[in-house]
Amino acid sequence: QVQLQQWGAGLLKPSETLSLTCAVYGGSFSGYYWSWIRQPPGKGLEWIGEINHSGSTNYNPSLKSRVTISVDTSKNQFSLKLSSVTAADTAVYYCARALRSSYGNYYYYYMDVWGKGTTVTVSS
Amino acid sequence: SSELTQDPAVSVALGQTVRITCQGDSLRSYYASWYQQKPGQAPVLVIYGKNNRPSGIPDRFSGSSSGNTASLTITGAQAEDEADYYCNSRDSSGNRVVFGGGTKLTVL
Repeated sequence: QVQLQQWGAGLLKPSETLSLTCAVYGGSFSGYYWSWIRQPPGKGLEWIGEINHSGSTNYNPSLKSRVTISVDTSKNQFSLKLSSVTAADTAVYYCARALRSSYGNYYYYYMDVWGKGTTVTVSS
Repeated sequence: SSELTQDPAVSVALGQTVRITCQGDSLRSYYASWYQQKPGQAPVLVIYGKNNRPSGIPDRFSGSSSGNTASLTITGAQAEDEADYYCNSRDSSGNRVVFGGGTKLTVL
């Protein structure tokens, strides 16, 4: 059974860079999208970005200028860096595995495995 | 702002049926996926594709789609179904992932 284990610094000061890593255990790295999602306190889910096994990335346009997602296939890990953080970046950050495919005239996309989440607080 | 629109809150009497909806242009070409999130926990996938349940998800959860609207139906809601529910797909271009704003389900 695939598991995602994530880690990183939980307390940052404004202007610092958030750095999180997610390790994939028990499954293949290829054929999937590897995503980062965040959830500010009391609010909904916000997609940050994704990477596939070959390193191709997509980012949320609202965060694109500050986000870098990278992959280390030798370690089955992918990472998130978010620069110049402010209090608005305070959130629980999740990593997740996603699959995208097609069925007839429709596409489907879903995130079937999630990390447990890392609480990141930005405070001076 | 979300490109997928959900009602903020829905309630259902114990044992009754409830439908949670999600609207968006991308749903004309993407099946929505649905996630259940309980307080302090990571989201859990409950429905994906045309109407598929991951292993371990009770069969009282089902999904459907028509036009630009996807629906999650819980038939015979249980107390443990009280949670936030989020829909998800890619946007119409396929380049971005979008979530609905979430629906808080209360089981009375």
